[in-house]
Amino acid sequence: GQQVMQIPQYQHVQEGEDFTTYCNSSTTLSNIQWYKQRPGGHPVFLIQLVKSGEVKKQKRLTFQFGEAKKNSSLHITATQTTDVGTYFCANGGSQGNLIFGKGTKLSVKP
Amino acid sequence: GAVVSQHPSRVICKSGTSVKIECRSLDFQATTMFWYRQFPKQSLMLMATSNEGSKATYEQGVEKDKFLINHASLTLSTLTVTSAHPEDSSFYICSARPSGNLSWEQYFGPGTRLTVT
Repeated sequence: GQQVMQIPQYQHVQEGEDFTTYCNSSTTLSNIQWYKQRPGGHPVFLIQLVKSGEVKKQKRLTFQFGEAKKNSSLHITATQTTDVGTYFCANGGSQGNLIFGKGTKLSVKP
Repeated sequence: GAVVSQHPSRVICKSGTSVKIECRSLDFQATTMFWYRQFPKQSLMLMATSNEGSKATYEQGVEKDKFLINHASLTLSTLTVTSAHPEDSSFYICSARPSGNLSWEQYFGPGTRLTVT
């Protein structure tokens, strides 16, 4: 897998506000995955993107893969306290091995 | 859904001893499993890719002789931390990729918290 840079490192929002985390690479990515890790928990798979310009939605979550396949984003609309956790993007290698971004830790103030 | 278990969930050992961590896919077969390490407030770092019936592939900077990986069956991979030192204290997480799965989706175990005193 390729190295991926993820920003921001932390994001504090008021409940109901939107949240976005960004993932970037200097090289073209064949794929990007997004995972969520709750405090004290393990990563849980959210989505996989492989096509240029792909956009996928899961309820309040919107995932995008850039046209050049060098960047991706996860957007949460109207955050809730249950959205708290660290969101990681990851690039998968030929064997399925994942190279994770540093993650964005989301905290939501009720 | 696909479940991966890890045992033990927590372990405290003395410096110089060895610790074995088990990773099991409970309801699916996994030709490939992965071992990650996560330090507090940091991301997951891939240590090695474990393939059933063959030698593991280690990432650069990971000592093969220190972190022994065995993937003897399609549902079990083990990581043995040999001659553990305090700097090996970390959260070790395994993941398993279902055999025949063409996507990169994989399922993570709950992790093992290792503390070396």
